[in-house]
Amino acid sequence: DAKTTQPNSMESNEEEPVHLPCNHSTISGTDYIHWYRQLPSQGPEYVIHGLTSNVNNRMASLAIAEDRKSSTLILHRATLRDAAVYYCILRAGGTSYGKLTFGQGTILTVHP
Amino acid sequence: NAGVTQTPKFRVLKTGQSMTLLCAQDMNHEYMYWYRQDPGMGLRLIHYSVGEGTTAKGEVPDGYNVSRLKKQNFLLGLESAAPSQTSVYFCASSKTGSPNYGYTFGSGTRLTVV
Repeated sequence: DAKTTQPNSMESNEEEPVHLPCNHSTISGTDYIHWYRQLPSQGPEYVIHGLTSNVNNRMASLAIAEDRKSSTLILHRATLRDAAVYYCILRAGGTSYGKLTFGQGTILTVHP
Repeated sequence: NAGVTQTPKFRVLKTGQSMTLLCAQDMNHEYMYWYRQDPGMGLRLIHYSVGEGTTAKGEVPDGYNVSRLKKQNFLLGLESAAPSQTSVYFCASSKTGSPNYGYTFGSGTRLTVV
């Protein structure tokens, strides 16, 4: 499975934008880029996913590099509730049956 | 819409005891997954199912068995619990195995084996 690389931790101030980077230089053409987050003592929560084009939803935006070797999750205005571990994962289809392989993620701390 | 429901939420077992963790989803999803999460290890896939009546091994299947008799339920069994199985267990489901769909996770079961 293709791997992703994320910073171990990042910090932000409340109401400021946050850009969480992810590198995936070995991504294949059919891999989708997924982002999940896990708040303390909760299960992971789907945030957003995309293939080639940038994506927006009510939670965040996903910016995908033209060569797809990196992506950035954008939280437009961080709140204290956004403090969580953020996972960038490549999801493949076919014989992998769409299994998600979690790495260590990025611990996001949001300061008031 | 409940999503993915896991029961129980907490459990303490003695070494050698058995138990079954239940995962139920009401979204008519085909695929279901069981993960465990340990400090410093991240989430690791135990077993998964690509449809009713099917199961397959994931990354760390030893000591666990699963069954998917009904589409909406995915059971994880521990026949003889060991302290190494102390963990937080998460169930997840996905509409299909297509990478164009996301997972929905349950809130977890915290299991302690003493």
